[in-house]
Amino acid sequence: DTGVSQNPRHKITKRGQNVTFRCDPISEHNRLYWYRQTLGQGPEFLTYFQNEAQLEKSRLLSDRFSAERPKGSFSTLEIQRTEQGDSAMYLCASSLDPPNEQFFGPGTRLTVL
Amino acid sequence: AQTVTQSQPEMSVQEAETVTLSCTYDTSESDYYLFWYKQPPSRQMILVIRQEAYKQQNATENRFSVNFQKAAKSFSLKISDSQLGDAAMYFCAYRRGGSNYKLTFGKGTLLTVNP
Repeated sequence: DTGVSQNPRHKITKRGQNVTFRCDPISEHNRLYWYRQTLGQGPEFLTYFQNEAQLEKSRLLSDRFSAERPKGSFSTLEIQRTEQGDSAMYLCASSLDPPNEQFFGPGTRLTVL
Repeated sequence: AQTVTQSQPEMSVQEAETVTLSCTYDTSESDYYLFWYKQPPSRQMILVIRQEAYKQQNATENRFSVNFQKAAKSFSLKISDSQLGDAAMYFCAYRRGGSNYKLTFGKGTLLTVNP
């Protein structure tokens, strides 16, 4: 059973560095979502893709954030010039279209020192 | 904008007992879906139960059931015969109908199950 996978699981970086996370969705899912979860909060929507097209970006996704999904398969989320406020768990989810549910990955925990 | 409120940051229950987690939401939409997700410690989030707003019947999944009060915009989760494995963070989530499937989550309720 290959669910949603995310790499790396943990990332520690220094302020100002760039980081990139990867998400591999369930293979037949054409929808892919990114959420951010900070301590004590529920996940907050960042962006989503239908196949390779990025259809919506949240206001939370500043210019330092960019997400791609080349060929409609895996997705990457890059954060440039990281700030301490970027420290969070970054969750990826995928679904069919239309979805009965979104399937979540284990997340990438980012710590910015 | 839609909002989801979980007013209970923490709840505890004795094993084999019943517990109810509360959730309220605010929306002007008539077509929407509601969900309860479970996030165990250091493990990924999984769907517990979902409810379509157009359905009057409350959803049930084994020991999990909901009390959906559409007029009151309330969506509570009842866990019967609580088990140690039910200990987790529980999130209530909303998504509107149509083709945008993004979820709006509450802040969560941490459920502790005491043996």
